[in-house]
Amino acid sequence: SQKIEQNSEALNIQEGKTATLTCNYTNYSPAYLQWYRQDPGRGPVFLLLIRENEKEKRKERLKVTFDTTLKQSLFHITASQPADSATYLCALEGGSGGYQKVTFGTGTKLQVIP
Amino acid sequence: NAGVMQNPRHLVRRRGQEARLRCSPMKGHSHVYWYRQLPEEGLKFMVYLQKENIIDESGMPKERFSAEFPKEGPSILRIQQVVRGDSAAYFCASSPGPGGSSYNEQFFGPGTRLTVL
Repeated sequence: SQKIEQNSEALNIQEGKTATLTCNYTNYSPAYLQWYRQDPGRGPVFLLLIRENEKEKRKERLKVTFDTTLKQSLFHITASQPADSATYLCALEGGSGGYQKVTFGTGTKLQVIP
Repeated sequence: NAGVMQNPRHLVRRRGQEARLRCSPMKGHSHVYWYRQLPEEGLKFMVYLQKENIIDESGMPKERFSAEFPKEGPSILRIQQVVRGDSAAYFCASSPGPGGSSYNEQFFGPGTRLTVL
């Protein structure tokens, strides 16, 4: 069955360092991979989307890589700040019949320590 | 441009009552998705609707749960005869639909937190 795995352990890093979060998937051929941020008590907020034929995407301090051979995406936040503390969700989009279903991972909680 | 609206934000029901959760998508969006999230768990897909049509309800329990997205008005997720296990946060998301370069980017509402006593 399809599976999306994100590190369930919280990630603690020092302010100013680069945070790297991992998303692995199996039995899936996604057309797109998305990353969302979710703060406690709030809905997820879209951050970045990367297509299956793209290797890397950047947006300000964020960088996403997508390796369809390894079936893995890495999400990097450079020069991390305490305000980056949140849960980050990976989501895969793909399907047939004209419908691109989005499936979410369980998320990784990031804590940036001042 | 108002974002996705959900109401109520908090809903308390006793076992056996009905819960109605409402979602107004972003202006111009014709696709609505409902998700359920339990504490420390990810978002679980429930149902995907377009105006007046259910496209995919594979994540919705077969009994007690129903959803609609009428031609006019908000999308409604209805849970009949609620049980304690229905307590969760229910999120609605909308998207503009096919045609854009990232048409399935989803815009989420703030969620409705349902507590069943």
